Amino acid sequence: NAGVTQTPKFQVLKTGQSMTLQCAQDMNHEYMSWYRQDPGMGLRLIHYSVGAGITDQGEVPNGYNVSRSTTEDFPLRLLSAAPSQTSVYFCAAGLREGITQYFGPGTRLTVL
Amino acid sequence: KQEVTQIPAALSVPEGENLVLNCSFTDSAIYNLQWFRQDPGKGLTSLLLIQSSQREQTSGRLNASLDKSSGRSTLYIAASQPGDSATYLCALGTGANNLFFGTGTRLTVIP
Repeated sequence: NAGVTQTPKFQVLKTGQSMTLQCAQDMNHEYMSWYRQDPGMGLRLIHYSVGAGITDQGEVPNGYNVSRSTTEDFPLRLLSAAPSQTSVYFCAAGLREGITQYFGPGTRLTVL
Repeated sequence: KQEVTQIPAALSVPEGENLVLNCSFTDSAIYNLQWFRQDPGKGLTSLLLIQSSQREQTSGRLNASLDKSSGRSTLYIAASQPGDSATYLCALGTGANNLFFGTGTRLTVIP
């Protein structure tokens, strides 16, 4: 039982490049979410999903896309990377919102 | 919009000391409050979850309290150990599929 896994752990992109951050969970939790963590700021919600086929925007969704084709996977796509997207990205899973959320180890992204 | 503040931003204490971390929030219409621990380069680990109808939760040496009317929560750590050194985050759930996080308190326990 690995919990929540994220790949890659580190990534460097050039402005304008696209990429997908992977998130997978083996707990069969319906609720998954993506947060970004920036220095001096709390974690902020990017997108979330309450089940396969259902996604919605969080507080800072611009520049990111998500999809949820299975319960297990919730990838985050950067369409055209910008330096402002330099951050640490965390994926979380939980039975539902309001219950303990389990976080992945994070992906540190640098956009040059 | 919910604003969450954690003071102090950093705290150093000698091993064995009892300590209190503070979390304040502006909107008392919360669903729950969670305390997380974050180790450098690692993800978040949930420590305690308090539902809005509860006043406190305890787990081992940790005790978290919630006072919605004053917009405050505290995390009490008894008999601190060097292994407790980490950043502690509080997060408020509003029932709208969003957790509002504070910026954290970085705790160092000195042996």
